[in-house]
Amino acid sequence: DADVTQTPRNRITKTGKRIMLECSQTKGHDRMYWYRQDPGLGLRLIYYSFDVKDINKGEISDGYSVSRQAQAKFSLSLESAIPNQTALYFCATSDRGPGETQYFGPGTRLLVL
Amino acid sequence: AQTVTQSQPEMSVQEAETVTLSCTYDTSESDYYLFWYKQPPSRQMILVIRQEAYKQQNATENRFSVNFQKAAKSFSLKISDSQLGDAAMYFCAYRPRGDDMRFGAGTRLTVKP
Repeated sequence: DADVTQTPRNRITKTGKRIMLECSQTKGHDRMYWYRQDPGLGLRLIYYSFDVKDINKGEISDGYSVSRQAQAKFSLSLESAIPNQTALYFCATSDRGPGETQYFGPGTRLLVL
Repeated sequence: AQTVTQSQPEMSVQEAETVTLSCTYDTSESDYYLFWYKQPPSRQMILVIRQEAYKQQNATENRFSVNFQKAAKSFSLKISDSQLGDAAMYFCAYRPRGDDMRFGAGTRLTVKP
């Protein structure tokens, strides 16, 4: 079984709809992250959480919100989806420590029409 | 401002040959970590290699090695004896202590049989 899972793997939605992307991990890591990937821009950090009570904005948090329901679960919400949020979204986890490796989920491809 | 620059959007290499992917980064920090991730067509992000800035010795992982030039802020990836399975997008990433990770835009590597 995969250590970091994301659901759904693909999603098509319409402008204005609320959508939630979910991430679960079995690695026992405290830290979890949400990134989006756009062609030619690499990965950019949306939000991150160092433990259940900790939520931090990343580089591009506008239009997104997150919830850390438990150590193993970190969800990303688009309250009112817009077409420029069409992207590939990745969840990642890491252990404590400044140089810890991040382990990524398989990604969710989102298309907003 | 772009923290991590990958100046080669695309590269190609003949099977069994060696290829070097370039990465430069901008920082005023002295303590940080550098990573290369591989993203094959499956879109999974896979860690290839990691380097601690305080270590002068270049990291190696089997056919993958880096040339870390701290003064020049350069972190290139060398792939030896290239294989068809090495074809992928490669992302360079930089992470200072206690801060989030920044990715380059990626280099698409094609391996010719």
